[in-house]
Amino acid sequence: DAGVTQSPTHLIKTRGQQVTLRCSPISGHKSVSWYQQVLGQGPQFIFQYYEKEERGRGNFPDRFSARQFPNYSSELNVNALLLGDSALYLCASSFRGQGAYEKLFFGSGTQLSVL
Amino acid sequence: AQSVTQLGSHVSVSEGALVLLRCNYSSSVPPYLFWYVQYPNQGLQLLLKYTSAATLVKGINGFEAEFKKSETSFHLTKPSAHMSDAAEYFCAVTEGGSASKIIFGSGTRLSIRP
Repeated sequence: DAGVTQSPTHLIKTRGQQVTLRCSPISGHKSVSWYQQVLGQGPQFIFQYYEKEERGRGNFPDRFSARQFPNYSSELNVNALLLGDSALYLCASSFRGQGAYEKLFFGSGTQLSVL
Repeated sequence: AQSVTQLGSHVSVSEGALVLLRCNYSSSVPPYLFWYVQYPNQGLQLLLKYTSAATLVKGINGFEAEFKKSETSFHLTKPSAHMSDAAEYFCAVTEGGSASKIIFGSGTRLSIRP
């Protein structure tokens, strides 16, 4: 079975632009979470979606938004990009989205560089 | 609010030596604790997790961690390091139940000397 797939793997944007990152969860998984990992730091929680509804949101500005589709894939959108948005964006999937009880499966991430 | 502190951003050990990566947590409720590993250019992989059952948790690749409430610690150990253990290790905490938010520490880079 395929793991969590993210696209694109690398992306270069300029300040002020908008970007969309995509994630396909493992087949059968209904929950997708997004994390931002700045170089040298641990991942920071951005969003979680379960059954197409937002279940959790981290401390990120409204420039960050996400959605989940009926096939459980997800998109993360970032508007008005800032240099500080440069990071590895990780997507993780799980069956029911119960963080404490379930194993999260991470994709390899999308490396976003903002120039 | 929960948080984790990883002591030492970089740890270097010789092949065959004991690996000890330190993690202390802060939580107002009984925590659920995790260790994840990240190999270069890859996502995170769960090594082990503590969910209030046995205090000594065994994980994959010979790693284990012990939950010590009195010390608010969840240190990761491996008796004998292997070259393939070189990676970034993250300690993480979350609330129990259906909590969706996992808080990660800043990570410890483990290097293995031949």
